Amino acid sequence: NAGVMQNPRHLVRRRGQEARLRCSPMKGHSHVYWYRQLPEEGLKFMVYLQKENIIDESGMPKERFSAEFPKEGPSILRIQQVVRGDSAAYFCASSRTSGVNTEAFFGQGTRLTVV
Amino acid sequence: AQSVTQLDSQVPVFEEAPVELRCNYSSSVSVYLFWYVQYPNQGLQLLLKYLSGSTLVESINGFEAEFNKSQTSFHLRKPSVHISDTAEYFCAVSEKVGSGNTGKLIFGQGTTLQVKP
Repeated sequence: NAGVMQNPRHLVRRRGQEARLRCSPMKGHSHVYWYRQLPEEGLKFMVYLQKENIIDESGMPKERFSAEFPKEGPSILRIQQVVRGDSAAYFCASSRTSGVNTEAFFGQGTRLTVV
Repeated sequence: AQSVTQLDSQVPVFEEAPVELRCNYSSSVSVYLFWYVQYPNQGLQLLLKYLSGSTLVESINGFEAEFNKSQTSFHLRKPSVHISDTAEYFCAVSEKVGSGNTGKLIFGQGTTLQVKP
C-alpha cells in the first residue's frame, strides 16, 4: 500500500504564473488535509477536504488559493498568480476517517519556489 | 484559539546522552496531543500520540512523552539518543469534537535535534 504521494516534489514558478500541487491519498482514505510550511516556521493548516467537499478552509488565504478533491483523481491545491511569499513547502496528509483513533499520514511535500 | 509552543528551536546533544524536547499548548477545550518526526527531505511521520488513559506514552524507538494537564505540557524525552535520531520534531494538538477529533492539527514551530558523535 503506497503512502501519500505528492507531486511534483519540487516546483519552480515565476511570479504571476500558476502552481498546481497534487496529492494522492493512501488507498481507502477519503479525508485530505493540506498544510503549508514557511521557512523557519511550523506547519500551518490550510484546508480539509473529503471527496468532492471542502469541510474546513479556515486556513486558506482568501485570494488566489483554491483546493479540490474530486470523486476520481488526486486532490489539487491551486495557487494562481504566485508571489515570492508563496515560496514554501506544501504538505498533504490523508486519513481514513476523522475519528479519535485515526492517524493522518503525510506525504513528502512539494517545495514551491517562486522566482 | 489553540496554540502550540516549542520552546527550543535547536537542541544539540551528544550521542548516548538524554534529551528532552519541550512542548506547551494552550486550549480551552480537551485536546489530543501528537509528536511527529521529519527526517531531511521527507514527510512527517507520527512518533507517538496521547488520546486518553495513561499520561505516559511511548514509541517503538525509545521516545516517550508525558501529558501534564496542569502544566499544559507534552514534553518528549529519550534517555539515550542515537545519531539516527537527528531530525526535526514537531508537537501538534487536535481539538476533541464529540467522540472524535476534527482531524485538523495545530503544529508548533519545530525543534531540530542535532545528535553529535
